[in-house]
Amino acid sequence: GENVEQHPSTLSVQEGDSAVIKCTYSDSASNYFPWYKQELGKGPQLIIDIRSNVGEKKDQRIAVTLNKTAKHFSLHITETQPEDSAVYFCAALRGSGYSTLTFGKGTMLLVSP
Amino acid sequence: EAGVAQSPRYKIIEKRQSVAFWCNPISGHATLYWYQQILGQGPKLLIQFQNNGVVDDSQLPKDRFSAERLKGVDSTLKIQPAKLEDSAVYLCASSLGTGGTGELFFGEGSRLTVL
Repeated sequence: GENVEQHPSTLSVQEGDSAVIKCTYSDSASNYFPWYKQELGKGPQLIIDIRSNVGEKKDQRIAVTLNKTAKHFSLHITETQPEDSAVYFCAALRGSGYSTLTFGKGTMLLVSP
Repeated sequence: EAGVAQSPRYKIIEKRQSVAFWCNPISGHATLYWYQQILGQGPKLLIQFQNNGVVDDSQLPKDRFSAERLKGVDSTLKIQPAKLEDSAVYLCASSLGTGGTGELFFGEGSRLTVL
């Protein structure tokens, strides 16, 4: 099955800095890669996703890049704000139909004012 | 639009007891998921329903866990008997489509502590 590795497990930055979280996946057939943000006591919420036919996608301060050859994808957050503090999960989906997401272990991002 | 509703939010039981969790997905969402999230880890899929049929339960410990989705709407997840390692947050999620590439909407979860 699919295996998703995520690094780092914790990341501390100063407000205004950039943050980068990296994930690798094992199944070359995976073709959909979402990122979820989980705040304390809440369920994960989708913040951005990318499909395998696209190398980069941007939404305001958040961007995701995908390198299919190397089987890795990254989340980039620019101009970080204290409200960006949360746990971020990457995930990968193999194929289509009834395929299910495999999540990484998460990265706790702490943004200090 | 109402989100995914789950109850109870918290439950403490002793090992070998039973527990049940309830989920009401977003109206009209065809696919419903139960995930187990152990502290410090990412969500792990337990079971996936499309309407009221099971499409993936390969990671569900069927000797102790069971789930049903009656009439393709609400769902319950039951654990009997519970073990210490079942302590986790049980997340319910739903999605509009069935292809897996759509957004999953998660509830706030049910936190289970097994003593």
